[in-house]
Amino acid sequence: SAVISQKPSRDICQRGTSLTIQCQVDSQVTMMFWYRQQPGQSLTLIATANQGSEATYESGFVIDKFPISRPNLTFSTLTVSNMSPEDSSIYLCSVVDRGHGDTQYFGPGTRLTVL
Amino acid sequence: AQSVTQLGSHVSVSEGALVLLRCNYSSSVPPYLFWYVQYPNQGLQLLLKYTTGATLVKGINGFEAEFKKSETSFHLTKPSAHMSDAAEYFCTVSDRRTNAGKSTFGDGTTLTVKP
Repeated sequence: SAVISQKPSRDICQRGTSLTIQCQVDSQVTMMFWYRQQPGQSLTLIATANQGSEATYESGFVIDKFPISRPNLTFSTLTVSNMSPEDSSIYLCSVVDRGHGDTQYFGPGTRLTVL
Repeated sequence: AQSVTQLGSHVSVSEGALVLLRCNYSSSVPPYLFWYVQYPNQGLQLLLKYTTGATLVKGINGFEAEFKKSETSFHLTKPSAHMSDAAEYFCTVSDRRTNAGKSTFGDGTTLTVKP
């Protein structure tokens, strides 16, 4: 299994600012994913981040708003840019273990509140 | 495209009673199916998964689920509910061919266990 850590665990930010969330995995993985969980709702995939290529964004999410970096096989960042209260959510990164039936492991999440 | 429907956003059972959380999926190819649990203010934890082989899969904490291809269902059950089972449960589907890791989440079911 993969152990994933995220920083920060939570933050309160002002409207119009940006926050970068870090995701660290304890093993090398090809595929990393960023999800958003809005209050009281399910998880929605934001983008897929593969090392060595640009992130692939899902419908409704754009690079200018959610730029992603993937500098190596154990680390990724997600930036939430020009934040508004609607961005208040839990942001989770995850990885997939292709060797174990595509089991997906999730980080603990970053709880973001935008005032 | 794949989709997941969890019937019943809230399920309430008495302690010791049977737990049944329903999940139906839509996928053009045989999928990978997962159940995750999310305790309050915590991350997602894998309960069980179906990839291939035996259609009745057993997971942690006494939960099990049965993959029924004819019914496109993957319902989660537990014979006897414990107070500690109170949580949010998510059924997810992943396309094993091309979208491994790009899991589609159901809306979630909140399980309440009454003493």
